[in-house]
Amino acid sequence: ETGVTQTPRHLVMGMTNKKSLKCEQHLGHNAMYWYKQSAKKPLELMFVYNFKEQTENNSVPSRFSPECPNSSHLFLHLHTLQPEDSALYLCASSPALRTSTDTQYFGPGTRLTVL
Amino acid sequence: GQQVMQIPQYQHVQEGEDFTTYCNSSTTLSNIQWYKQRPGGHPVFLIQLVKSGEVKKQKRLTFQFGEAKKNSSLHITATQTTDVGTYFCAGPPSNTGKLIFGQGTTLQVKP
Repeated sequence: ETGVTQTPRHLVMGMTNKKSLKCEQHLGHNAMYWYKQSAKKPLELMFVYNFKEQTENNSVPSRFSPECPNSSHLFLHLHTLQPEDSALYLCASSPALRTSTDTQYFGPGTRLTVL
Repeated sequence: GQQVMQIPQYQHVQEGEDFTTYCNSSTTLSNIQWYKQRPGGHPVFLIQLVKSGEVKKQKRLTFQFGEAKKNSSLHITATQTTDVGTYFCAGPPSNTGKLIFGQGTTLQVKP
């Protein structure tokens, strides 16, 4: 248990559905991240938040919409996804985003399947 | 942009054999981190190397950071079935604090 939780752990959705992924960290960290992990691909950084402010949007399609209401919670809102968006979505946190890199702590991930 | 490459992509070994994965960055890294992801699991931090030429050991695992701080390696001595998983290296582009992950090396160990 790393102190980062994600819900749901598994999600199956149709292309017209709207759903949200939730991440919560209990580590007192101030930076939170969303990654996408597809089969046979490296971890793809999607979004970065530092002290609730988005600092990175890695050319992610607008059908993915992040939200960070406070330093402990991070959401990823999904709408009109495509089958190729099926992947493991990982949330991570670190003490803060700064020039010297802190270790990142990952949640267990949400396995998303888009039909 | 910065790229972090790992080789090999896959490695199958007999239990008891040694294993090494190599990580190469297109740019100098301020530090390098290694993570392990078990099958069905999530990446878990193993170690961070900061100094040029640094070597760190964790039991049967030996981590090395190159003199030029552009490459790193992870060596496992006498693999065990518990070593199965994907090993990722990750390093930050200069002055950003975020991590760029390599594509990982997946290790299979035959008992």
